[in-house]
Amino acid sequence: AQTVTQSQPEMSVQEAETVTLSCTYDTSENNYYLFWYKQPPSRQMILVIRQEAYKQQNATENRFSVNFQKAAKSFSLKISDSQLGDTAMYFCAFMKHGNAGNMLTFGGGTRLMVKP
Amino acid sequence: NAGVTQTPKFQVLKTGQSMTLQCAQDMNHNSMYWYRQDPGMGLRLIYYSASEGTTDKGEVPNGYNVSRLNKREFSLRLESAAPSQTSVYFCASSAGTYGNTIYFGEGSWLTVV
Repeated sequence: AQTVTQSQPEMSVQEAETVTLSCTYDTSENNYYLFWYKQPPSRQMILVIRQEAYKQQNATENRFSVNFQKAAKSFSLKISDSQLGDTAMYFCAFMKHGNAGNMLTFGGGTRLMVKP
Repeated sequence: NAGVTQTPKFQVLKTGQSMTLQCAQDMNHNSMYWYRQDPGMGLRLIYYSASEGTTDKGEVPNGYNVSRLNKREFSLRLESAAPSQTSVYFCASSAGTYGNTIYFGEGSWLTVV
């Protein structure tokens, strides 16, 4: 079974600064996908960024980028130029190839507070 | 764009009561999922349906049943609610191909007293 660990329960950052959220995972699979989801106070789950394991290039989406270290099984999220609207819970998630379906396994989350 | 729609948004149940959470998606997705999120935790998979006509257990299926009514709709039933089932429930869907993004509904807050 896969496990996903987010070791930082809470973090804070000043507006306009950069913050990095950590995620590690444990799997015996060689091919898989990794995701970061954002959950603002509204509770809506919003996809931030995704990474395919066989792609060495780190994914980027505007101010969001990842540092994917496959050998270390690490998948951190970097938020540049933090904005007040980035305040949310952030969840790292793992998807392996499943014959009967493709499901996400989530970490416990990191609560990010962006301070003005 | 409706996406994934869940009803009800909020519900309070007494221990032992039953209820059904309804979910519908308008994205013509093959796969649908039910997750629960307990306070301060990540989401855990209850049941999923890889395609119309199939359902399978996830990580925490005990106390729940599901029905994939058609391609659009996937319901979650609590037969005899228990306080341990107090949680926020999320329905989700995806095209079903490996790696596809999973899209979530807005959640249903369920309290069992």
